[in-house]
Amino acid sequence: QKEVEQDPGPLSVPEGAIVSLNCTYSNSAFQYFMWYRQYSRKGPELLMYTYSSGNKEDGRFTAQVDKSSKYISLFIRDSQPSDSATYLCASTRSNFGNEKLTFGTGTRLTIIP
Amino acid sequence: GAVVSQHPSRVICKSGTSVKIECRSLDFQATTMFWYRQFPKQSLMLMATSNEGSKATYEQGVEKDKFLINHASLTLSTLTVTSAHPEDSSFYICSARPGTGSTDTQYFGPGTRLTVL
Repeated sequence: QKEVEQDPGPLSVPEGAIVSLNCTYSNSAFQYFMWYRQYSRKGPELLMYTYSSGNKEDGRFTAQVDKSSKYISLFIRDSQPSDSATYLCASTRSNFGNEKLTFGTGTRLTIIP
Repeated sequence: GAVVSQHPSRVICKSGTSVKIECRSLDFQATTMFWYRQFPKQSLMLMATSNEGSKATYEQGVEKDKFLINHASLTLSTLTVTSAHPEDSSFYICSARPGTGSTDTQYFGPGTRLTVL
Protein backbone atom coordinates (compact mmCIF):
# COMPACT_ATOMS: atom_id res chain seq x y z
CA GLN A 1 0.00 0.00 0.00
CA LYS A 2 1.31 3.44 -0.93
CA GLU A 3 1.66 5.83 1.97
CA VAL A 4 -0.22 8.53 0.05
CA GLU A 5 -3.00 7.57 -2.35
CA GLN A 6 -4.45 9.94 -4.91
CA ASP A 7 -6.91 9.39 -7.74
CA PRO A 8 -4.95 10.14 -10.92
CA GLY A 9 -8.07 11.30 -12.78
CA PRO A 10 -8.23 12.81 -15.32
CA LEU A 11 -10.85 15.19 -13.97
CA SER A 12 -12.67 17.65 -16.24
CA VAL A 13 -15.04 20.32 -14.96
CA PRO A 14 -16.66 23.40 -16.54
CA GLU A 15 -15.27 26.84 -15.81
CA GLY A 16 -16.70 28.35 -12.64
CA ALA A 17 -17.36 25.00 -10.97
CA ILE A 18 -16.03 24.02 -7.55
CA VAL A 19 -13.29 21.44 -7.79
CA SER A 20 -12.61 18.90 -5.07
CA LEU A 21 -9.31 17.04 -5.06
CA ASN A 22 -8.60 14.37 -2.48
CA CYS A 23 -5.89 12.19 -1.04
CA THR A 24 -5.69 9.60 1.70
CA TYR A 25 -2.63 8.63 3.67
CA SER A 26 -1.72 5.71 5.87
CA ASN A 27 1.22 6.95 7.97
CA SER A 28 -0.09 8.25 11.29
CA ALA A 29 3.19 10.07 11.84
CA PHE A 30 2.50 12.53 9.01
CA GLN A 31 2.01 16.02 10.44
CA TYR A 32 2.52 18.37 7.51
CA PHE A 33 0.45 18.37 4.35
CA MET A 34 1.01 20.20 1.10
CA TRP A 35 -0.64 20.69 -2.24
CA TYR A 36 1.50 21.39 -5.27
CA ARG A 37 0.39 22.45 -8.75
CA GLN A 38 2.42 21.26 -11.71
CA TYR A 39 1.94 22.54 -15.21
CA SER A 40 3.07 20.38 -18.10
CA ARG A 41 6.87 20.15 -18.36
CA LYS A 42 7.37 22.39 -15.31
CA GLY A 43 8.43 21.83 -11.73
CA PRO A 44 5.81 21.66 -8.95
CA GLU A 45 4.68 24.95 -7.42
CA LEU A 46 3.62 25.07 -3.77
CA LEU A 47 -0.04 26.04 -3.43
CA MET A 48 -1.01 25.28 0.15
CA TYR A 49 0.84 24.12 3.24
CA THR A 50 -0.93 23.03 6.42
CA TYR A 51 0.08 21.58 9.73
CA SER A 52 -2.08 18.95 11.44
CA SER A 53 -5.87 19.01 11.13
CA GLY A 54 -8.02 21.90 10.06
CA ASN A 55 -8.75 24.22 7.17
CA LYS A 56 -6.61 26.80 5.47
CA GLU A 57 -7.86 29.25 2.90
CA ASP A 58 -5.94 31.27 0.34
CA GLY A 59 -8.00 33.10 -2.22
CA ARG A 60 -9.96 30.59 -4.27
CA PHE A 61 -8.12 27.65 -2.70
CA THR A 62 -9.01 25.85 0.53
CA ALA A 63 -6.98 23.01 1.97
CA GLN A 64 -8.56 20.68 4.48
CA VAL A 65 -6.94 17.99 6.62
CA ASP A 66 -8.82 15.45 8.71
CA LYS A 67 -6.26 13.44 10.64
CA SER A 68 -8.90 11.21 12.22
CA SER A 69 -9.78 9.80 8.82
CA LYS A 70 -6.37 10.47 7.24
CA TYR A 71 -8.01 12.49 4.50
CA ILE A 72 -6.56 15.50 2.67
CA SER A 73 -8.61 17.75 0.39
CA LEU A 74 -8.09 20.75 -1.84
CA PHE A 75 -11.06 22.81 -2.98
CA ILE A 76 -10.89 25.29 -5.83
CA ARG A 77 -13.73 27.79 -6.09
CA ASP A 78 -14.70 29.62 -9.28
CA SER A 79 -12.35 27.41 -11.29
CA GLN A 80 -10.55 29.00 -14.23
CA PRO A 81 -8.98 27.48 -17.36
CA SER A 82 -5.60 28.55 -15.95
CA ASP A 83 -6.20 26.11 -13.09
CA SER A 84 -5.78 23.24 -15.56
CA ALA A 85 -2.74 21.34 -14.30
CA THR A 86 -1.72 18.30 -12.32
CA TYR A 87 -2.26 18.66 -8.59
CA LEU A 88 -0.02 16.71 -6.24
CA CYS A 89 -0.66 16.15 -2.57
CA ALA A 90 2.31 15.49 -0.31
CA SER A 91 2.85 14.66 3.34
CA THR A 92 5.76 14.50 5.74
CA ARG A 93 6.39 13.67 9.38
CA SER A 94 8.42 16.75 9.97
CA ASN A 95 9.31 19.73 7.89
CA PHE A 96 12.74 19.81 9.41
CA GLY A 97 16.14 19.09 7.92
CA ASN A 98 16.37 15.94 5.83
CA GLU A 99 12.80 14.82 6.25
CA LYS A 100 11.44 13.84 2.85
CA LEU A 101 8.07 14.43 1.25
CA THR A 102 5.87 11.53 0.22
CA PHE A 103 3.83 12.39 -2.86
CA GLY A 104 0.57 11.13 -4.25
CA THR A 105 0.46 10.20 -7.91
CA GLY A 106 -1.13 13.52 -8.89
CA THR A 107 -4.56 14.33 -10.35
CA ARG A 108 -4.77 15.81 -13.84
CA LEU A 109 -7.38 18.55 -13.85
CA THR A 110 -8.85 20.25 -16.91
CA ILE A 111 -11.14 23.27 -16.63
CA ILE A 112 -13.32 23.53 -19.70
CA PRO A 113 -14.07 27.12 -20.84
CA GLY B 1 11.14 34.66 -2.60
CA ALA B 2 12.16 30.99 -2.41
CA VAL B 3 13.23 30.67 -6.04
CA VAL B 4 15.05 27.59 -7.24
CA SER B 5 16.62 27.39 -10.69
CA GLN B 6 17.90 24.46 -12.73
CA HIS B 7 20.27 24.34 -15.64
CA PRO B 8 19.97 23.18 -18.31
CA SER B 9 16.22 23.04 -18.82
CA ARG B 10 16.60 20.47 -21.54
CA VAL B 11 19.47 18.25 -22.66
CA ILE B 12 19.85 15.62 -25.33
CA CYS B 13 22.88 13.37 -25.22
CA LYS B 14 24.24 10.20 -26.74
CA SER B 15 24.19 6.93 -24.88
CA GLY B 16 27.32 6.45 -22.79
CA THR B 17 28.00 10.11 -22.13
CA SER B 18 27.69 11.92 -18.81
CA VAL B 19 25.35 14.83 -18.13
CA LYS B 20 25.55 17.35 -15.29
CA ILE B 21 22.47 19.17 -14.00
CA GLU B 22 22.76 22.17 -11.69
CA CYS B 23 20.28 23.21 -9.03
CA ARG B 24 20.58 26.63 -7.41
CA SER B 25 18.64 28.37 -4.67
CA LEU B 26 18.62 31.98 -5.80
CA ASP B 27 17.38 33.92 -2.79
CA PHE B 28 17.99 31.66 0.19
CA GLN B 29 20.53 29.26 1.58
CA ALA B 30 19.61 25.62 1.35
CA THR B 31 21.29 23.22 3.71
CA THR B 32 19.25 20.39 2.23
CA MET B 33 18.45 19.76 -1.41
CA PHE B 34 16.50 16.88 -2.89
CA TRP B 35 16.68 15.28 -6.31
CA TYR B 36 13.63 13.71 -7.91
CA ARG B 37 12.90 11.88 -11.12
CA GLN B 38 9.53 11.97 -12.83
CA PHE B 39 8.50 9.70 -15.68
CA PRO B 40 5.59 10.68 -17.98
CA LYS B 41 2.23 10.73 -16.21
CA GLN B 42 3.81 9.56 -12.97
CA SER B 43 4.50 11.26 -9.69
CA LEU B 44 7.82 12.47 -8.38
CA MET B 45 10.16 9.78 -7.10
CA LEU B 46 12.81 10.86 -4.66
CA MET B 47 16.27 9.79 -5.76
CA ALA B 48 18.49 11.27 -3.07
CA THR B 49 18.80 13.82 -0.29
CA SER B 50 21.83 16.06 -0.36
CA ASN B 51 23.31 18.05 2.50
CA GLU B 52 25.88 20.77 2.03
CA GLY B 53 29.37 19.46 2.66
CA SER B 54 28.45 15.82 3.17
CA LYS B 55 27.63 12.73 1.15
CA ALA B 56 24.18 12.36 -0.33
CA THR B 57 21.72 9.81 1.00
CA TYR B 58 20.25 7.71 -1.80
CA GLU B 59 16.86 6.06 -1.87
CA GLN B 60 16.62 2.31 -2.25
CA GLY B 61 17.18 1.21 -5.82
CA VAL B 62 19.03 4.36 -6.91
CA GLU B 63 22.63 3.67 -7.97
CA LYS B 64 24.90 6.14 -6.22
CA ASP B 65 27.76 5.46 -8.63
CA LYS B 66 25.55 6.29 -11.59
CA PHE B 67 23.86 9.37 -10.17
CA LEU B 68 26.61 11.45 -8.61
CA ILE B 69 25.45 14.25 -6.35
CA ASN B 70 27.59 17.10 -5.10
CA HIS B 71 26.36 19.80 -2.74
CA ALA B 72 29.38 22.03 -2.56
CA SER B 73 27.73 25.19 -1.26
CA LEU B 74 24.56 26.37 0.43
CA THR B 75 23.13 27.48 -2.89
CA LEU B 76 24.31 24.85 -5.36
CA SER B 77 23.83 21.12 -5.82
CA THR B 78 24.70 19.14 -8.93
CA LEU B 79 23.48 15.81 -10.24
CA THR B 80 25.67 14.01 -12.75
CA VAL B 81 24.16 11.14 -14.69
CA THR B 82 27.16 9.02 -15.65
CA SER B 83 27.22 6.73 -18.69
CA ALA B 84 23.66 7.67 -19.52
CA HIS B 85 21.39 5.16 -21.26
CA PRO B 86 18.00 5.62 -22.93
CA GLU B 87 16.22 4.31 -19.83
CA ASP B 88 17.67 7.29 -17.91
CA SER B 89 15.59 9.62 -20.08
CA SER B 90 13.29 11.41 -17.66
CA PHE B 91 12.37 14.71 -16.08
CA TYR B 92 14.78 15.49 -13.24
CA ILE B 93 13.63 17.98 -10.62
CA CYS B 94 15.46 19.37 -7.63
CA SER B 95 14.04 21.00 -4.56
CA ALA B 96 15.58 22.98 -1.73
CA ARG B 97 14.64 23.61 1.87
CA PRO B 98 15.71 26.93 3.42
CA GLY B 99 18.31 26.81 6.19
CA THR B 100 19.06 24.58 9.13
CA GLY B 101 16.36 24.28 11.71
CA SER B 102 13.84 25.60 9.25
CA THR B 103 10.32 24.26 9.30
CA ASP B 104 9.66 25.65 5.87
CA THR B 105 8.71 23.32 3.10
CA GLN B 106 10.57 22.39 -0.05
CA TYR B 107 10.65 24.67 -3.07
CA PHE B 108 11.06 23.09 -6.47
CA GLY B 109 13.10 23.98 -9.51
CA PRO B 110 11.57 24.04 -13.00
CA GLY B 111 13.04 20.67 -13.92
CA THR B 112 15.49 19.36 -16.52
CA ARG B 113 14.31 17.13 -19.31
CA LEU B 114 16.97 14.58 -20.21
CA THR B 115 16.74 12.62 -23.42
CA VAL B 116 19.35 9.94 -24.05
CA LEU B 117 19.57 8.75 -27.63
